[in-house]
Amino acid sequence: AQSVAQPEDQVNVAEGNPLTVKCTYSVSGNPYLFWYVQYPNRGLQFLLKYITGDNLVKGSYGFEAEFNKSQTSFHLKKPSALVSDSALYFCARALGGSSNTGKLIFGQGTTLQVKP
Amino acid sequence: DAGVTQSPTHLIKTRGQQVTLRCSPKSGHDTVSWYQQALGQGPQFIFQYYEEEERQRGNFPDRFSGHQFPNYSSELNVNALLLGDSALYLCASSYRETKNIQYFGAGTRLSVL
Repeated sequence: AQSVAQPEDQVNVAEGNPLTVKCTYSVSGNPYLFWYVQYPNRGLQFLLKYITGDNLVKGSYGFEAEFNKSQTSFHLKKPSALVSDSALYFCARALGGSSNTGKLIFGQGTTLQVKP
Repeated sequence: DAGVTQSPTHLIKTRGQQVTLRCSPKSGHDTVSWYQQALGQGPQFIFQYYEEEERQRGNFPDRFSGHQFPNYSSELNVNALLLGDSALYLCASSYRETKNIQYFGAGTRLSVL
């Protein structure tokens, strides 16, 4: 069964430093991979996606993610963190290609805390 | 352009009661998916509606049912509420031909006492 793992419950980083939020996925076909962010009392906001093509995907608010097939990872990165980036981040996958139905499987989430 | 809207924002029910949650998709979207997000967890897929029919379903009991209307809006119904049904219920909409990106509403917080 397809699954997504976010190994860190919380990531702490100082403002201005680079940040990485980790995500790994189970191997099953060619996955579609996504990152969403959730602010308190808000729904999920789409950040970026990997479908096919370049392994480095650029998204909203300066975030990017690197698809690594050999390591089955899709880590979220940002060169310089902002305090306003503090939120709950979810990695998600869907079945790829003609099997894609739009059903998303989410990881457990990682809380990002950026301190001034 | 309005995004995905859900109502109500908060709801308190008691065990055994029934509840109906509502969702209006983003303009131009024809597919609605529902997710349950328990506290401290990632969202769990409940089911998806397209062309007014349930197209796929996650691992949820029959107490969870839904409906999609001709204007693409949707309802989630939960019967015989249990304490464990307390969660944030999220609605997501997408356009079937490009269902890769789902847009989420702010959710309905359901508390079962």
